[in-house]
Order: sequence, then structure tokens, then C-alpha cells
Amino acid sequence: RKEVEQDPGPFNVPEGATVAFNCTYSNSASQSFFWYRQDCRKEPKLLMSVYSSGNEDGRFTAQLNRASQYISLLIRDSKLSDSATYLCVVSYSGNTGKLIFGQGTTLQVKP
Amino acid sequence: DAGITQSPRHKVTETGTPVTLRCHQTENHRYMYWYRQDPGHGLRLIHYSYGVKDTDKGEVSDGYSVSRSKTEDFLLTLESATSSQTSVYFCAISETSVLVSPTYEQYFGPGTRLTVT
Repeated sequence: RKEVEQDPGPFNVPEGATVAFNCTYSNSASQSFFWYRQDCRKEPKLLMSVYSSGNEDGRFTAQLNRASQYISLLIRDSKLSDSATYLCVVSYSGNTGKLIFGQGTTLQVKP
Repeated sequence: DAGITQSPRHKVTETGTPVTLRCHQTENHRYMYWYRQDPGHGLRLIHYSYGVKDTDKGEVSDGYSVSRSKTEDFLLTLESATSSQTSVYFCAISETSVLVSPTYEQYFGPGTRLTVT
């Protein structure tokens, strides 16, 4: 079983739609959680950190459920420019400071 | 954008040859990382560095070595390239460890596409 699992998609949605991605992680000792965005053939970039209480940044909302070990990302009012791959990222447990990346969920927003 | 460059950006090499990829940063960040990205696997950590001359293995380190003699440079060497090492290689940097910073972020370079024939 992969340590971080995501549905690879693709998710095809019309402009203006609301779309949600989920991610599950296997290590209950993981402490830090993130969503990164990666455009086609480009480097990943941090979209947002995920806090225990949930957090929002404009049209993007991230939630963490430690009991069920999943993280979600909600995108409201989708734009064409949101088309990308969204990577779920979790910190390793223990004193290593390393990250584990999911394989990503691809979103395609259509006009 | 963070000042990270990778060289070369594209390389085709033959099986059995040694290959060195370079990551250069102008941010003076302490931590540097090498990842590979393959379809179906996402980004996987090869090696990382937590200071000059301080390095450690990641999850897919077999066949790779690294060196960091200066803060700004982190080299990844494929001792004897194999076709299974065909991949996109990303370097990343971070100022702190995820263990101590609530606003932790890794910044990635543009990547190197390596093909081993």
C-alpha cells in the first residue's frame, strides 16, 4: 500500500464548478500536510499547507481528518487556469524532516 | 521565484556511463533535496542534505550518490546509468526543516529530463 494515495483522475469539470480531491495517508504519526500544484512539465509549487482546524485561501479550502487519515482540497468556482495536477504531501514520522508525495490528481477545467 | 537552477535541463546518455546532475541555489538555504518523478509514482526522494557535507539517503537511493561541498551546490551522480533511471529529476531547497516550521515550504528547480538508452 502506498503511504500517500490519491485518485489520479483526470477530473474533467466545467468552468465555475466546485471540485473536491481526497488523499489518504497510512502513517498516523505524520505531523505536517500540504497541497502542491504542478503544471504540465513544470516544477511543483506549494499551494497551501493544511492545518488541523482546516484553512481557506480564496477559492481553495483544505481540510484534515486525522482520525480517518485523509486530507481534502476543495476548489470553488473553477477557472481554466486551475487545470493542473494537485499533489498531496505528508511529512514522514520521526525526526527526519522528509516529505512523502502522492502521485497527484489531474484536474482539467473546460470552458 | 526562488533562485534554483538545474543543469543540464535535458540529457541523453548510454547505459553504463556515469552522469552528474547539478543543482545550484542562490537562496542560501540549508536543506537541499533530489527527487525523481515517474508516472504512477509521484515524486520520490533520492538523497537530501541538511548542510555542507551532511547528506542522507532517501527512499530510492540505490545507484545514486550525492555531494555537497558548498551551500549553493548539490550534485547528484548516477554511478553507472541504467534504463530504469530514465526519469525527470527535481532538485528542491528549504530554509528550515518541516519539523520546526509551521510555514515550511520546499522550492523546486525546473527539473532535468534524463534518458538512458
